[in-house]
Amino acid sequence: NAGVTQTPKFQVLKTGQSMTLQCAQDMNHNSMYWYRQDPGMGLRLIYYSASEGTTDKGEVPNGYNVSRLNKREFSLRLESAAPSQTSVYFCASSEASDFTDTQYFGPGTRLTVL
Amino acid sequence: GNSVTQMEGPVTLSEEAFLTINCTYTATGYPSLFWYVQYPGEGLQLLLKATKADDKGSNKGFEATYRKETTSFHLEKGSVQVSDSAVYFCALSSGNTPLVFGKGTRLSVIA
Repeated sequence: NAGVTQTPKFQVLKTGQSMTLQCAQDMNHNSMYWYRQDPGMGLRLIYYSASEGTTDKGEVPNGYNVSRLNKREFSLRLESAAPSQTSVYFCASSEASDFTDTQYFGPGTRLTVL
Repeated sequence: GNSVTQMEGPVTLSEEAFLTINCTYTATGYPSLFWYVQYPGEGLQLLLKATKADDKGSNKGFEATYRKETTSFHLEKGSVQVSDSAVYFCALSSGNTPLVFGKGTRLSVIA
């Protein structure tokens, strides 16, 4: 039982390049989330998926797209990376669609955009 | 909108010292309150939560009481250990609104 897994762990991009961050959970959870963590800013929600087939914008969605591929997988795509997207990205999941349910986090992807 | 303010860090304590990390909030309705902890190199994990006023959440020797009258949810531990060194995040949700996190407080415990 791996919980929430994310790939890659580290990535360096040049401005304008694209990439997809992968996230998978094996807990049969309904809801999945993508956050970014910046120094002194806490975590900010980028997108979330309350259930398979649905996605919604969070606080900071600009420059990102997401796909809920199936119940297990939720990917985050940067179409044209910018230095402002340098951050640590965390995927999380929860059993219920209620935001008060416990969220389980992956280990994170550290992304640097040059 | 909802917001969380927690004390600035870093906080450095000696082993067995008493810990308090302050957290206050602004919210509409009746939010649920959380403390998440992030150990070095890892993702966040739930430490404790409280869903209504006067509830006390507790786990691993940590406690926090939901105080509606002071809009606070301060984290306390009577005797910290080196293994408690981590970043602690206070957070809230009103159920139909996404989790809102504080900026985090880094705790370092020295032997």
